[in-house]
Amino acid sequence: AQSVTQLDSQVPVFEEAPVELRCNYSSSVSVYLFWYVQYPNQGLQLLLKYLSGSTLVKGINGFEAEFNKSQTSFHLRKPSVHISDTAEYFCAVSDNGAQKLVFGQGTRLTINP
Amino acid sequence: EAGVAQSPRYKIIEKRQSVAFWCNPISGHATLYWYQQILGQGPKLLIQFQNNGVVDDSQLPKDRFSAERLKGVDSTLKIQPAKLEDSAVYLCASRLGRNEQFFGPGTRLTVL
Repeated sequence: AQSVTQLDSQVPVFEEAPVELRCNYSSSVSVYLFWYVQYPNQGLQLLLKYLSGSTLVKGINGFEAEFNKSQTSFHLRKPSVHISDTAEYFCAVSDNGAQKLVFGQGTRLTINP
Repeated sequence: EAGVAQSPRYKIIEKRQSVAFWCNPISGHATLYWYQQILGQGPKLLIQFQNNGVVDDSQLPKDRFSAERLKGVDSTLKIQPAKLEDSAVYLCASRLGRNEQFFGPGTRLTVL
């Protein structure tokens, strides 16, 4: 069975500082990985996805993530955060494209001025 | 293009009452999902439809939850009777082919 662990439930950072949100997964088959963002009182929006190819994936809003098969990780990074990045971030794994997603428990990113 | 629509956005009921949520997916999306997101947790899949057929309902508490997608377009999720632990956000998502899932804004249910 697939599972996702997001190692930090909350991450506070100062504005314009870099941030890394950690995600580890377990899967016995081919893996597809996703990061979604959820702003308050809204649904989930796709930030980026890894399906195949380059292990460094660039997404929207300046975010990027790196697929590391040996460490079974897919950490999300941004070199300089903005107040508007305050949200909940979810890592998800699938074994068949976006057919069936298993989500982590989420990381709340709080940006302090 | 219009996104996934859900209604109502908020619902407050007392335990043992019934409630229904509605979802209209993006036009042309054959696959529709209902997720339950309890506060502080990630979304958990309840049921997946392909057109009007159920693909996966293994995590749907069938003694109280039901869902249908009769014409293969919009869908309803019902809880009858509701329990306190059903308080959550219910998210609907739709997908075309192997592409990403698109999520609606959700319905926040509070059971008192």
